[in-house]
Amino acid sequence: DSGVTQTPKHLITATGQRVTLRCSPRSGDLSVYWYQQSLDQGLQFLIQYYNGEERAKGNILERFSAQQFPDLHSELNLSSLELGDSALYFCASSVAYTGDNEQFFGPGTRLTVL
Amino acid sequence: GENVEQHPSTLSVQEGDSAVIKCTYSDSASNYFPWYKQELGKRPQLIIDIRSNVGEKKDQRIAVTLNKTAKHFSLHITETQPEDSAVYFCAASPRPITGTASKLTFGTGTRLQVTL
Repeated sequence: DSGVTQTPKHLITATGQRVTLRCSPRSGDLSVYWYQQSLDQGLQFLIQYYNGEERAKGNILERFSAQQFPDLHSELNLSSLELGDSALYFCASSVAYTGDNEQFFGPGTRLTVL
Repeated sequence: GENVEQHPSTLSVQEGDSAVIKCTYSDSASNYFPWYKQELGKRPQLIIDIRSNVGEKKDQRIAVTLNKTAKHFSLHITETQPEDSAVYFCAASPRPITGTASKLTFGTGTRLQVTL
């Protein structure tokens, strides 16, 4: 158990809908990263927050947004969902905002768009 | 930005043999190179990492080597066991500049199958 929690574990929804994925980092970690992993694909970095502020952006679509709250939990919002958005979404946390620290991954949320 | 290439995409070895996975990176400013293991249906977990001031690092049956001049690094697993079967991801991150964030760029993964 990494100490990072993600809810829900599974999410099934229809095209055009909007969903929210939630992540709670390890105690003491200020940085949260979001990744997308499609079937048999690598880990695509989406976005990073550190202590409530956006710090780095990757290949995140305009339909996707995220935020980190004062209690440091983070939410990833996916809207106008398309079939291609079906994937495993991981969040990870680390103590600092630089990439040269171990990232601890949560169990992931599997999103299925029908 | 950083680009990390990883080879091979799949690797099958017999139990007891060694496995080697190679990665190359493009950004000469990268100085942190972790390896993550992802078992089927599970989350990625860090198994070993190396920083650019070190050429090699070992942890029991796992070792990582780094060649900064050639911009490549490799994961070596000796005496492979069935529980080593998983997808392995390499990654690279540039040296942080004070006040700015830096991110990990992952390779595309290697599916290692250890057969009996």
